[in-house]
Amino acid sequence: DIVMTQSPDSLAVSLGERATINCKSSQTVLYKSNKKNYLAWYQQKPGQPPKLLISWASTRESGVPDRFSGSGSGTDFTLTISSLQAEDVAIYYCQQYYDKVITFGQGTRVEIK
Amino acid sequence: QVKLVDSGGGVVQPGVSLTLSCAASGFSFSSYGVHWVRQAPGKGLEWVAFIRNDGSVEFYAESVKGRFTIARDNSRNTLYLHMISLRSEDSAVYYCAKDGALRVGPDYHYYMDVWGKGTTVTVSS
Repeated sequence: DIVMTQSPDSLAVSLGERATINCKSSQTVLYKSNKKNYLAWYQQKPGQPPKLLISWASTRESGVPDRFSGSGSGTDFTLTISSLQAEDVAIYYCQQYYDKVITFGQGTRVEIK
Repeated sequence: QVKLVDSGGGVVQPGVSLTLSCAASGFSFSSYGVHWVRQAPGKGLEWVAFIRNDGSVEFYAESVKGRFTIARDNSRNTLYLHMISLRSEDSAVYYCAKDGALRVGPDYHYYMDVWGKGTTVTVSS
């Protein structure tokens, strides 16, 4: 199975500052024939199901604020929150859907400093 | 609006069986693959199983293979997860989730764009 490793496990950022979460896959999730990265990002708040933020590594879901952006290709990916807001406190997960067996990263907890 | 309502969870003893259901509405259920994802208390997300839109293909996590069966009834817009020989480590909130795109070519499945609120399974003696 493809192992997804996020870093850091948690981070505390001041309001209005940038938060950066990294995700590394144990093998490529870039499908050469269509040049797409099979990588998504989710946000989960306590007591709620996960919410899709970004698909295909960098495509923001409709309604997701543009302070959220995704980048990267192959095995290394980043989720950036450009200006952290109070409502962004949550756990963030990356997920690969390249392989038959889907795997998630362990999650990164984002808090306010 | 697009909605998934998962149900069927409960407190059961080790070794017994349980079936979860997920009622879909607001979209063409028969056109999309669907997943089950679980989350143990205080832990991260674990994908459990996927079934293609027409039910012709199923994938499972190794941890549940041979014990769990995913199924769907497109005439009832409903997804199921049949679980047997339940263990304490199966205790979790179980979410159903819709595949985020119509399948193209050789793709197995996609990201999950709509999630149910979850149903809790507790396996304990």
